Amino acid sequence: DIQMTQSPSSLSASVGDRVTITCRASQSIRSHLNWYQQKPGKAPKLLIYAASSLQSEVPSRFTGSGSGTDFTLTISSLQLEDFATYYCQQSYTTPITFGQGTRLEIK
Amino acid sequence: EVQLLESGGVLVQPGGSLRLSCAASGFIFSGYAMSWVRQAPGKGLEWVSTITANSGTTYYSDSVKGRFTISRDNSQNTLYLQMNSLRAEDTAVFFCSKDQVFGDGYINFDYWGQGTLVTVSS
Repeated sequence: DIQMTQSPSSLSASVGDRVTITCRASQSIRSHLNWYQQKPGKAPKLLIYAASSLQSEVPSRFTGSGSGTDFTLTISSLQLEDFATYYCQQSYTTPITFGQGTRLEIK
Repeated sequence: EVQLLESGGVLVQPGGSLRLSCAASGFIFSGYAMSWVRQAPGKGLEWVSTITANSGTTYYSDSVKGRFTISRDNSQNTLYLQMNSLRAEDTAVFFCSKDQVFGDGYINFDYWGQGTLVTVSS
């Protein structure tokens, strides 16, 4: 199975900050990497697919980059509604696997 | 508007069975692969199973293989997950998702239901 490791596991930041979350795959997954946002008690929401493509209606302050084994999700200027947990997901092969999540908290 | 509505989650004893349903609307259900993803209380997301649009191929995580069966009824726009031999570690919120498949095998879960809670306990 491909292991997905996110860092950090948690992060405190302020409104307006630029934040970067990293996701590393245990083997190359080319660009088969997606990012999701989840708020407490809610379903996950797709933000970025194929490593760098912005899902429809997702604000442009979210950007994804990377290929192979190393990927990043960057939020250019944090808004209040961005405080949530973020997950990366590889869909290169089954079993599809998720990172353990990064909890983004208000400082 | 795409809508996915899961149902069927209840409290069940270890060793018991349960069938979850996911009613889909707002898109051409028969044209898309569908998946189940679960989330144990306070934990992360775990992919469970995927079924292709025409039910031709199914995929399972090792943790549920042989115990769970994914199926769909394209005439009823409904996805199912039959769960047998349930264990305490199956306790989770189960989400269904619509899958977007494109290009060179790229897959993502672009729409999700709100989830249904399955509790396995005596």
